[in-house]
Amino acid sequence: AQKITQTQPGMFVQEKEAVTLDCTYDTSDPSYGLFWYKQPSSGEMIFLIYQGSYDQQNATEGRYSLNFQKARKSANLVISASQLGDSAMYFCAMREIRSGGSNYKLTFGKGTLLTVNP
Amino acid sequence: GAVVSQHPSWVICKSGTSVKIECRSLDFQATTMFWYRQFPKQSLMLMATSNEGSKATYEQGVEKDKFLINHASLTLSTLTVTSAHPEDSSFYICSAAPGANVLTFGAGSRLTVL
Repeated sequence: AQKITQTQPGMFVQEKEAVTLDCTYDTSDPSYGLFWYKQPSSGEMIFLIYQGSYDQQNATEGRYSLNFQKARKSANLVISASQLGDSAMYFCAMREIRSGGSNYKLTFGKGTLLTVNP
Repeated sequence: GAVVSQHPSWVICKSGTSVKIECRSLDFQATTMFWYRQFPKQSLMLMATSNEGSKATYEQGVEKDKFLINHASLTLSTLTVTSAHPEDSSFYICSAAPGANVLTFGAGSRLTVL
């Protein structure tokens, strides 16, 4: 079963507007972490934001915020005031934290290609 | 911030040859590193977990003899694609965790096998 689902293969947004990239996940572990990465055409993976399953508040990092709805198992990324440089592939990923040790294995979604139009 | 350096960025080789890709944690020690593979327009798939001083843990379907992983020090893991063939052409990217809830990726290595 797919653990991370990104239903939007591509998204378009006008410069300076906000955009939401969807991500739903599936896990039976009570403890897990959710990540969003940006991958520009150069290929590097750029960390954007992290949300832990026990975090009470939604994570925010500058123009990025994570709309974490635990009951719905969704972790949507919101980018405010889009910039042309935001055009890239965006991946949602999950880390299932096993008890007794650290585990940084990430399972990635298929990604959403965001295009910011001038 | 923590940096993971990956080398080479690009490599082109002939079919049948072996290619080594290095992944270094520059300013932190990494007892564990992760190797991913990404085909064009697809997501990242975990290939193996590299463990310092011990054998790597491979994901299901990944050939151990094809993709040799060595993690001889706390700052270096290497992935060797042995007897490479055109179907091994892909983007290989490593990662390591410099701290809790942070996973840093290298810039990736694009392998083309002719």
